[in-house]
Amino acid sequence: LAKTTQPISMDSYEGQEVNITCSHNNIATNDYITWYQQFPSQGPRFIIQGYKTKVTNEVASLFIPADRKSSTLSLPRVSLSDTAVYYCLVGGTGGGNKLTFGTGTQLKVEL
Amino acid sequence: DTGVSQNPRHKITKRGQNVTFRCDPISEHNRLYWYRQTLGQGPEFLTYFQNEAQLEKSRLLSDRFSAERPKGSFSTLEIQRTEQGDSAMYLCASSGDVAEKLFFGSGTQLSVL
Repeated sequence: LAKTTQPISMDSYEGQEVNITCSHNNIATNDYITWYQQFPSQGPRFIIQGYKTKVTNEVASLFIPADRKSSTLSLPRVSLSDTAVYYCLVGGTGGGNKLTFGTGTQLKVEL
Repeated sequence: DTGVSQNPRHKITKRGQNVTFRCDPISEHNRLYWYRQTLGQGPEFLTYFQNEAQLEKSRLLSDRFSAERPKGSFSTLEIQRTEQGDSAMYLCASSGDVAEKLFFGSGTQLSVL
């Protein structure tokens, strides 16, 4: 199982770029890297997914180095509404226990 | 709304009672997951279905827990003889691609008194 390690918490201010790094040293060849956002009393919400290099969508970018042992979620110009817990998940085809969440990173955005 | 639907949103029960939760996944998704989440923790995997087949079940899941997915559509999670330690948010997610991009419902918050 590809265990993940993330910082427990991060603080930022509105308008800043936030980068959250996740370590996954035991990632398998067929594992994808997926990030989720969760607000209190809601289910996690998909943000972005990648396999290697860089992926960008309308809300975030995901940077994955060549060895794939880590990944960085980049949130441009955060706002108060980005205050949430962010989870990094690694897993591939087959699902099940491979899709294991860690404790996530609590991001707090202030004015 | 074509998202994942869970019912009920909240359930309060007395210790020793049985409870059942329902999950309706996104219609074209063949994979369905159940997770449990307690305050301050990430979601904890419980079980996984591909179509109607239950392919994986966490060792953390006691024999008081059972899940079904008849006909590969909706799923139910039943907890028998509930205990106070079962109090948690129960999350359902579905996936339709090999990269296992999960779409979660809003969860069922269980409180066992």
